[in-house]
Formats: sequence, C-alpha cells, structure tokens
Amino acid sequence: GENVEQHPSTLSVQEGDSAVIKCTYSDSASNYFPWYKQELGKGPQLIIDIRSNVGEKKDQRIAVTLNKTAKHFSLHITETQPEDSAVYFCAASIIGDMRFGAGTRLTVKP
Amino acid sequence: DTAVSQTPKYLVTQMGNDKSIKCEQNLGHDTMYWYKQDSKKFLKIMFSYNNKELIINETVPNRFSPKSPDKAHLNLHINSLELGDSAVYFCASSQEMGTGLGLSEQYFGPGTRLTVT
Repeated sequence: GENVEQHPSTLSVQEGDSAVIKCTYSDSASNYFPWYKQELGKGPQLIIDIRSNVGEKKDQRIAVTLNKTAKHFSLHITETQPEDSAVYFCAASIIGDMRFGAGTRLTVKP
Repeated sequence: DTAVSQTPKYLVTQMGNDKSIKCEQNLGHDTMYWYKQDSKKFLKIMFSYNNKELIINETVPNRFSPKSPDKAHLNLHINSLELGDSAVYFCASSQEMGTGLGLSEQYFGPGTRLTVT
C-alpha cells in the first residue's frame, strides 16, 4: 500500500516568513494529493489539492508543487500569519486508498 | 449549517463496554469515512463507505463496525472497548461520483474524543 512521509514534524517561523513542508510517497499510481490544515480541537480542513496531471497550483499565499518522477510534493506558505499556526497534513491517494503523512506542527511567531 | 456533524463530542467509558458514535452529513455526498487520530496526531483511515461498497482497512479490528441507515449517516459501533481504542475519531464525507473513491475533497466532522478507562 501507499506510504507517505512528511517533513519536518515541527516548524517554527517568524511572521511574514515563508514555510515549506515536504512529503514523499511510495506508490507511483497515486494521483491525488490534498493538503489539510487542522486547528486545535477541530477536524482537518482542505486548503489546497493537486492532481497528478498538474505540476503546480497556487491559491493566494498557498502553493503546492508536485514532482511525479521523484514522487514528492510540497506545500509553500508565503507571508505567514499567526493564524496559519496549525497542524498540516499531506495525503496521497489512489482509488479506494488515501494515506496521510504524520503531520507538521507549524508555529508562526508574531 | 454544519456540514458534517458528530455526536457525542466527548465519550468516556470503561473497558469492555459497547458504544456508538453518530455521524451525519448534509452535503448530499455519496461517500463517508471514519478516521482514527491517535495521541501523536497520526490520521488513519478505518472505513470508506458508499451505497455500493464498504472498504475496510485491514488493520481495523472487527470490534469496529460501520452502520449506515441512509446515505446521510454513517455511525460507528465499537464492541468490547479496549484502552488502545482511546483516540479522536473523525467522520468525513465526499462526493466521489465521477472521480473515484478517495480522489475528492473530504469534509471532516469536528471529531469525537473517546477515552477508555
């Protein structure tokens, strides 16, 4: 089955700086890669996703890149704000099977 | 207004008991899921279910069983609770038709924190 590794496990940045979280996956058949943000006491919420036929996608301060050859994808958050502080999960999915990374706890210091 | 709701939010019970967690979605989605999140925040899928098939993660003990009275509900029944079942359980839903199971945005509920003593 699919195995997803996520790094780093914790990330602390200064407000206004950029944050990058990286994930690798094992199954080359995976074709859907969502990123979820989980705030304390809440369920995960999708912030951006990318499919295997696209190399990059951007939504305001958030961007995701996908390298299918290397089987890795990354989340980029620019101009970070304190409200970006949360746990972020990457996931990789093929039909019938979605696997999550272990999560990255992002702290944005004001 | 809540898209995916779960009850109860907190559940404290003793080992050996049987309990249920309810989940409802009002998004008209065709697929629902149950996830377990352990103390280290690791999210693991337990079940995927739509009106066509139930996919069970092979690591889930058969003490856990999903029950769907209708398309908008997927309840989780747990028999003979064990200490290791303590975790936060999330229900989620998505619209898979046309994309394939697991290939669409999933909407998560607020979670149920289960504590087994």
